[in-house]
Amino acid sequence: EVQLVESGGGLVKPGGSLRLSCVGSGISFSSYSMNWVRQAPGKGLEWVSTISGNSNYIYYAESVKGRFTISRDNAKISLYLQMNSLRAEDTAIYYCTRGRGYTFGFSDYWGQGVPVTVSS
Amino acid sequence: EIVLTQSPGLMSLSPGERATLSCRASQSISSNNLAWYQQKPGQTPRLLIYAASIRATGIPDRFSGSGSGTDFTLTISRLEPEDSAVYYCQQYGSSPPLTFGGGTKVAIK
Repeated sequence: EVQLVESGGGLVKPGGSLRLSCVGSGISFSSYSMNWVRQAPGKGLEWVSTISGNSNYIYYAESVKGRFTISRDNAKISLYLQMNSLRAEDTAIYYCTRGRGYTFGFSDYWGQGVPVTVSS
Repeated sequence: EIVLTQSPGLMSLSPGERATLSCRASQSISSNNLAWYQQKPGQTPRLLIYAASIRATGIPDRFSGSGSGTDFTLTISRLEPEDSAVYYCQQYGSSPPLTFGGGTKVAIK
């Protein structure tokens, strides 16, 4: 069974930091791009960041550029998102997804999501 | 950046009826790189359709996608109660950003 399991979310004060992790199992990982996608409460889906299979290509949404860092460890089938200088508008459920077909491919597998709340 | 506009925002239909959801792009989407996702309340999004018209594994054939260029459609031919969900379109390809439409909520009467 394919699984992507996120962890590391929680409540943090504005300006604080969190590191999200996503561990895969039963999934081909190293040759695929991976994404972080978020969903603010009651809102739609928003792309956050993408990392290519070999980590050569990394991209961020303008809203998080300079504050978030995506990385991966293919040996551990793991994806990470280091989030610094967090703002209230970063409050959301964060999903890791596997990208298929292109560097910025459609998401064929999704994790269950991890909530991040930024509040004082 | 390609902006995707979905319509209607909300539709309320009865079981057995046909649902037609629209996704319009601000510029032409190359190679029909358009996907559709279903998100039921409290659940993770699920891939339904990619490349505008190819059903993902395990998706019932009552779901179909069509379109090209800037206009795309998701059709649910015979609605069932479990189809109550929000449906999102997404464009993808070789360059960022990935963008999603705002979603269409399908309510079953």
